[in-house]
Amino acid sequence: NAGVTQTPKFQVLKTGQSMTLQCAQDMNHEYMSWYRQDPGMGLRLIHYSVGAGITDQGEVPNGYNVSRSTTEDFPLRLLSAAPSQTSVYFCASSPPSGTPSTDTQYFGPGTRLTVL
Amino acid sequence: AQSVTQPDIHITVSEGASLELRCNYSYGATPYLFWYVQSPGQGLQLLLKYFSGDTLVQGIKGFEAEFKRSQSSFNLRKPSVHWSDAAEYFCAVGAPGDYKLSFGAGTTVTVRA
Repeated sequence: NAGVTQTPKFQVLKTGQSMTLQCAQDMNHEYMSWYRQDPGMGLRLIHYSVGAGITDQGEVPNGYNVSRSTTEDFPLRLLSAAPSQTSVYFCASSPPSGTPSTDTQYFGPGTRLTVL
Repeated sequence: AQSVTQPDIHITVSEGASLELRCNYSYGATPYLFWYVQSPGQGLQLLLKYFSGDTLVQGIKGFEAEFKRSQSSFNLRKPSVHWSDAAEYFCAVGAPGDYKLSFGAGTTVTVRA
């Protein structure tokens, strides 16, 4: 298993540009989520999904869009990038409810995004 | 809603010395508690987790943590640190069945020779 993969690893955008951060997992996990990590603030939840076709907002959803058309993929879209979105973005997934590892999240390696 | 406080932003410890990282949580019932480690430039790796049962939890890399309900704490310990333990450590709390985690701000550990 490749686990949770994220692309790209690094990205530089100009203010106003849009882009999609990719996230994929090959563990058949139902739950997937996106976090952003900023210095001194830990990880904050942006959006999450409990299965294909189901998404919901987390703590800091503004400026981001998600969709979940398959179990494997959970892309994060920045609609119009702003300097405040400069951050490191992590995707995570969790096994289906009721399995031994319920509520344990597996993280991808992260995408470092800079918005100029 | 649950929340986590990690009081120490940065800890410096000598190689071979013991390490304790503090974590306090806020949650109305028994939470799910986690410690994750992030090495420089890497993603987060689960060190250990507490769901229920024995309040002393053993994890990977020689780490352990103790759940103390009376103090709303879940402190992480290691008896003897290695230079490779230099990293950022995050405590996280979750509500059973909720999938969402709330993370603390993290504690950066520096290991000196």
